[in-house]
Amino acid sequence: DVKVTQSSRYLVKRTGEKVFLECVQDMDHENMFWYRQDPGLGLRLIYFSYDVKMKEKGDIPEGYSVSREKKERFSLILESASTNQTSMYLCASSPSGRVTADTQYFGPGTRLTVL
Amino acid sequence: AQTVTQSQPEMSVQEAETVTLSCTYDTSESDYYLFWYKQPPSRQMILVIRQEAYKQQNATENRFSVNFQKAAKSFSLKISDSQLGDAAMYFCAYRSPFTSGTYKYIFGTGTRLKVLA
Repeated sequence: DVKVTQSSRYLVKRTGEKVFLECVQDMDHENMFWYRQDPGLGLRLIYFSYDVKMKEKGDIPEGYSVSREKKERFSLILESASTNQTSMYLCASSPSGRVTADTQYFGPGTRLTVL
Repeated sequence: AQTVTQSQPEMSVQEAETVTLSCTYDTSESDYYLFWYKQPPSRQMILVIRQEAYKQQNATENRFSVNFQKAAKSFSLKISDSQLGDAAMYFCAYRSPFTSGTYKYIFGTGTRLKVLA
């Protein structure tokens, strides 16, 4: 079974802190994604990566950055956390979507609260 | 721009009954993919079913089936013989074709399904 793990289930940070959310997948997937999930807004894509050291902005990249130094690991960084970044963050991975449809495999999520 | 709309924020179904969740989308592409994902309470999101737009036949997975109407841009999910374990948030998702080196994956806002014993 594909396994996607996230470093924390719950996280509480202060405004202005630098926050790192880590995601690791064990199925050698090329693609990795970071979403935030808010009630009534569904999932919104922050960033995605379809290769090591490659990244593309999603729909809401402002205030976030990412790092993918190894194929299995994709980190989301909040450079200076703000209260409006309080949310559930979901990581996902998928095999290459260049030829066929790719199913996304999700991690358990990190519920981040910024005080 | 592509959009995915789920107009039912919440639905309820009696155990063993059938329920249909609605999803509409907007795209100018002809070749794309559609998905239904399930997110149980406090558990990881998983794929329920997927449909390739070039296939006319509706996808089915056991008790789950879709009604894919390409011209109407509609992609509804039917759950037959509903079970308590079907209670979850359901998300409809669209994946664009891979062009210009990238693609888009867009989720709807979700429908919370309650199953009544």
